[in-house]
Amino acid sequence: NAGVTQTPKFQVLKTGQSMTLQCAQDMNHNSMYWYRQDPGMGLRLIYYSASEGTTDKGEVPNGYNVSRLNKREFSLRLESAAPSQTSVYFCASSPWSRGESNTGELFFGEGSRLTVL
Amino acid sequence: AQSVTQLDSHVSVSEGTPVLLRCNYSSSYSPSLFWYVQHPNKGLQLLLKYTSAATLVKGINGFEAEFKKSETSFHLTKPSAHMSDAAEYFCVVSDYSNMRFGAGTRLTVKP
Repeated sequence: NAGVTQTPKFQVLKTGQSMTLQCAQDMNHNSMYWYRQDPGMGLRLIYYSASEGTTDKGEVPNGYNVSRLNKREFSLRLESAAPSQTSVYFCASSPWSRGESNTGELFFGEGSRLTVL
Repeated sequence: AQSVTQLDSHVSVSEGTPVLLRCNYSSSYSPSLFWYVQHPNKGLQLLLKYTSAATLVKGINGFEAEFKKSETSFHLTKPSAHMSDAAEYFCVVSDYSNMRFGAGTRLTVKP
């Protein structure tokens, strides 16, 4: 059982380049999330999707776009990368549905380390 | 709006001694609280959660946490540290639909 799979695991970009991080989950979860992790700041939510076809901004959405392609897949796109976007990116999923109390159990991928030069 | 503060960025203990990782929170609602663990170069894994049932919560690998509403705290403890406990630990607060992560506490375990 793969759980949450992210690709690529490592990427180096030049300022202004674009790229897409891919995420897929095989647990039939309703919700999916993209976080970034920076030293001393914990995880900050970029975007989330509570169901197929819907997306919502999180705490730090600027400079990113997302797409919930289907129930399994949730991609994160950087249209014009900046050095400030150097970070480790985590995709997560959960069974939570909008309208329910969020019990908070998230299932995480292993992360994608992005460096923008 | 909710927030969470992990009071120590780094904790160092000797193997076999107790572990205490401190977390304070604020929330406008009755919160759910969680501890996650992250081993090097891995994703986060749920250790335990509090969702308004028993205030003393037991998790995996011998960890437990106590919800103290009067102190707005949810400290993580373990009676005896093991080398494999060396990792980063995150306290998380959730009030209905929004979740907020603490900055993390790095636990070092010395032999």
